[in-house]
Amino acid sequence: NAGVMQNPRHLVRRRGQEARLRCSPMKGHSHVYWYRQLPEEGLKFMVYLQKENIIDESGMPKERFSAEFPKEGPSILRIQQVVRGDSAAYFCASSQGTVLQEQYFGPGTRLTVT
Amino acid sequence: QKEVEQNSGPLSVPEGAIASLNCTYSDRGSQSFFWYRQYSGKSPELIMFIYSNGDKEDGRFTAQLNKASQYVSLLIRDSQPSDSATYLCAVNPPSNTGKLIFGQGTTLQVKP
Repeated sequence: NAGVMQNPRHLVRRRGQEARLRCSPMKGHSHVYWYRQLPEEGLKFMVYLQKENIIDESGMPKERFSAEFPKEGPSILRIQQVVRGDSAAYFCASSQGTVLQEQYFGPGTRLTVT
Repeated sequence: QKEVEQNSGPLSVPEGAIASLNCTYSDRGSQSFFWYRQYSGKSPELIMFIYSNGDKEDGRFTAQLNKASQYVSLLIRDSQPSDSATYLCAVNPPSNTGKLIFGQGTTLQVKP
């Protein structure tokens, strides 16, 4: 399967715990984007990364959220001290480039904070 | 004004009809435009991608772009019940970072 992979598909965390979401881009893609979809809301851009670099994090909440895309391994979105309002679907997308390039989405991670 | 606007619907069409989905955007410098389909509980699936004024056809789908009017549309010919989903319009703003700004989506219902 050469598509975008995300794991876990479902994640349940209690308030105050940490959530780690992983994303492996499509083969041949080096650009990764994270989006969040809150219940009954649209998709919102969070962060854009290339290998070892954060290019645009204008959509990331200032606190508790961080992202990385190391030289080896998947991109990781980390949420510290989760709160109920973090419950959402988190989607990763990847592309070959930026300008005039399609983005393909992974299956998403559904985070539930209890 | 929202950056990308869509009518939330639902838009209901009979099977076999043409469904017309519309989207407007506010940033005149936006460069590329995407239509995604999202079934309930699933991830967005790319349907069409357009960056030049005019029409682009792919099977039953036609994307239309009018940059002067800041308007992009998606036509679905011979609509099928399996086309029933939420259709998301996405715009790549002129920041050149590749991020997409999404509209709220239009729910399409195709009735047999």
